[in-house]
Amino acid sequence: DQQVKQNSPSLSVQEGRISILNCDYTNSMFDYFLWYKKYPAEGPTFLISISSIKDKNEDGRFTVFLNKSAKHLSLHIVPSQPGDSAVYFCAASETGTYKYIFGTGTRLKVLA
Amino acid sequence: KAGVTQTPRYLIKTRGQQVTLSCSPISGHRSVSWYQQTPGQGLQFLFEYFSETQRNKGNFPGRFSGRQFSNSRSEMNVSTLELGDSALYLCASAPGQPYEQYFGPGTRLTVT
Repeated sequence: DQQVKQNSPSLSVQEGRISILNCDYTNSMFDYFLWYKKYPAEGPTFLISISSIKDKNEDGRFTVFLNKSAKHLSLHIVPSQPGDSAVYFCAASETGTYKYIFGTGTRLKVLA
Repeated sequence: KAGVTQTPRYLIKTRGQQVTLSCSPISGHRSVSWYQQTPGQGLQFLFEYFSETQRNKGNFPGRFSGRQFSNSRSEMNVSTLELGDSALYLCASAPGQPYEQYFGPGTRLTVT
């Protein structure tokens, strides 16, 4: 049972444009959500997180939106840069379970 | 502050053997989690330790085990290796929950 789903395996965006990566979850008890970026041969790098008490969190070029009623979150990258090309994972957690559930990832390619 | 370190980085083992992987968390982080990453499967949660106690475990067979020491360093062990155990094994540390996890570079295990 895949509780966290990233339905787009890949995405290509032109440099300078907006990248939108999507993530859906099924467990309504999840209350903390994170996005990670991963380059080949490296571990995932934390990008941004959001608590379920918020619907938006910004950090520089990265903004995460949370729609609890739709059980959907998205990561916006503006403007996209070639160095953003990587695999992006969303993850979710329910406080008290000490467990993070990851999606299968979306490969973003930013074209120069 | 030094990041999460994992040793060894690469490992080749034969079916039936056992293997031990090591993880040193960021100083001050008491939570250590282990994940298995295989192509197309994303990151699968193995287990989480906090102050030497396993607080949660993923859906993996008993061949996968772990422990945490008093200095928060952690090891995971896989006994009776199978070809399907070939994967990238990632360790992540955090101050607790809910906080973002910081990942090490991973150990690439190949079972032949």
